[in-house]
Order: sequence, then structure tokens, then C-alpha cells
Amino acid sequence: DAGVTQSPTHLIKTRGQQVTLRCSPKSGHDTVSWYQQALGQGPQFIFQYYEEEERQRGNFPDRFSGHQFPNYSSELNVNALLLGDSALYLCASSLALASGGPNQETQYFGPGTRLLVL
Amino acid sequence: ILNVEQSPQSLHVQEGDSTNFTCSFPSSNFYALHWYRWETAKSPEALFVMTLNGDEKKKGRISATLNTKEGYSYLYIKGSQPEDSATYLCAFLYNFNKFYFGSGTKLNVKP
Repeated sequence: DAGVTQSPTHLIKTRGQQVTLRCSPKSGHDTVSWYQQALGQGPQFIFQYYEEEERQRGNFPDRFSGHQFPNYSSELNVNALLLGDSALYLCASSLALASGGPNQETQYFGPGTRLLVL
Repeated sequence: ILNVEQSPQSLHVQEGDSTNFTCSFPSSNFYALHWYRWETAKSPEALFVMTLNGDEKKKGRISATLNTKEGYSYLYIKGSQPEDSATYLCAFLYNFNKFYFGSGTKLNVKP
């Protein structure tokens, strides 16, 4: 059973460019969350996708956008890259509760994509 | 912006020592607290999902407790081994689907 996979593993971009990161959730999972981890900090929540819609968003500008596909895989897009966007980007998948209640289920993380903006 | 704090930031112990770390979080609007272990060059791995005040969970030599009224959780490792060396993260679930992570406690166990 494949766990959460992310691509690419590393990426180097220059300021002003755009980037797309990809995530495939664990088999059977329908919810994907994206996190940014800057050096020395804990992961920061960017947004969560469920049923192909953004369900919750953290404190990130509109330059950060995403998409979820019918097969539950997801993309994170960042436009107009800034030096401060350099970070490890983590994707996590989980299974939404049928009741629609709080997402207390275990999250499974991918290995991350390390983005360097020069 | 919610504050989730972990202490200490880092910890160096000898093999065989027992150790514990703290995660502090807001005591209102609590839904769940997750603990993760993150080894270098690997993905964060879920250790515990804690949802009820007074919860105690155990997995081998690692255990965790939860106090939602005062807003803290402790993670204990009994008889630390070098393979326990990792960063331990806690994540507070706020508003149904949004997790707030602490900065982690980096544990180094010397043989």
C-alpha cells in the first residue's frame, strides 16, 4: 500500500516565477492538507482540500492556490515567488469522517518538496 | 493566530534515560491534539491522536497524557534508545480542520 507521495523532491526557482507541487494521498484517503515548514519552525497550515474544494485555509496570501482532482490527488501552486517562500512543503492525507465532524483522524505525511527561491 | 508551544526546544540524553516534553495549547475550542515523530530525511509519523481530557495513550516505551482544561500535553519516553532520536511535534486541531503545529522538540539520544 503506497503511502503519501510528493513530487518533485527538490526544486530551485527564481523570484517572480511560478511553481506547482504535486501530492498523491494514501490509498483510501479523500482529504489532502498542505503545510509550509520554514527552517526552525513547525509546519504551518496552508489549506485543506476535500471533494475537490478548498475546505479550510490558513494565513497565506492568494498567491498560494491549490486544486484537488477526482482521484483525490492534489496540487499546490505558488505564483510570483518570493525569497521567503523557500521552505519544505508537506502534504498530508486523511479520511474525512462520514458525520462531517472535526477531522480528528490521523494524518499521514509525505516526504515533502524542498523549494529554494533564488 | 493560535500559539502552540513546545518545550524544551532540544534535549540531549544518554541511552537508558527517561525523558519528557511538553506541548501547550489554547484551552478553548479544543478538538484534538496529535503527536508526531519526525526523523531526519523521513516523513512525520503519527504517534498519538488525543481527543478527551485525561486521555493517556501508550505505544511501546512512549506514552502521552492530555489536560484540555489547562491546555497541555506531555510526551514521555521511557528508557530512551538512539533510534528515538528525532524531532517530536505536537499539532492542535482548531476549527474542525485546521492544525496548528508547535516548533517541535529535537531529541538526541547518545549511545
